[in-house]
Amino acid sequence: NAGVTQTPKFQVLKTGQSMTLQCAQDMNHEYMSWYRQDPGMGLRLIHYSVGAGITDQGEVPNGYNVSRSTTEDFPLRLLSAAPSQTSVYFCASSSRYNSPLHFGNGTRLTVT
Amino acid sequence: KNEVEQSPQNLTAQEGEFITINCSYSVGISALHWLQQHPGGGIVSLFMLSSGKKKHGRLIATINIQEKHSSLHITASHPRDSAVYICAVRSNQGAQKLVFGQGTRLTINP
Repeated sequence: NAGVTQTPKFQVLKTGQSMTLQCAQDMNHEYMSWYRQDPGMGLRLIHYSVGAGITDQGEVPNGYNVSRSTTEDFPLRLLSAAPSQTSVYFCASSSRYNSPLHFGNGTRLTVT
Repeated sequence: KNEVEQSPQNLTAQEGEFITINCSYSVGISALHWLQQHPGGGIVSLFMLSSGKKKHGRLIATINIQEKHSSLHITASHPRDSAVYICAVRSNQGAQKLVFGQGTRLTINP
């Protein structure tokens, strides 16, 4: 079992570029979510999904887009990267919204 | 004031010591999570609890719903326990979002 797989591990973007952070899980989990982690702050929810075809905004959704076409995949799109989006991004999944969380290894994104 | 407060922010101890990390929260919750983040960044779920106490190896987590407080204890601490420990609560109202504390950085010296 691979668990939650995030790619890439590291990425450097220039301001204005777009990219997609990939997240895949092989545990048939319904609930998936994206967080960003910044120094001195707790993890903050960007977007989440309670099942294929269903997504909703979290605490800090601006500048990010998500889709959930399959149970396994939950990509996070940066539409036009800004330096404020420099952060470490984590994808997580759980069997239901109130079950233990399984995290990916994170993506360290730098926007210059 | 943050909805989830952890204390201490940083803790350094000697190998073998008994460790306590505290988490206080201000919202009604359906569950509380304790997570561990090692240097290098990966996050692992240690416990999810909504009442009472759970134990796994040398780790013990307790929660007092009335006092809105949880503790994570580590017995016979070891340098490999060095990590950031994160408390997160699932609100039982509105969007039922998960709110994270800022973490406690634990260093265990040999």
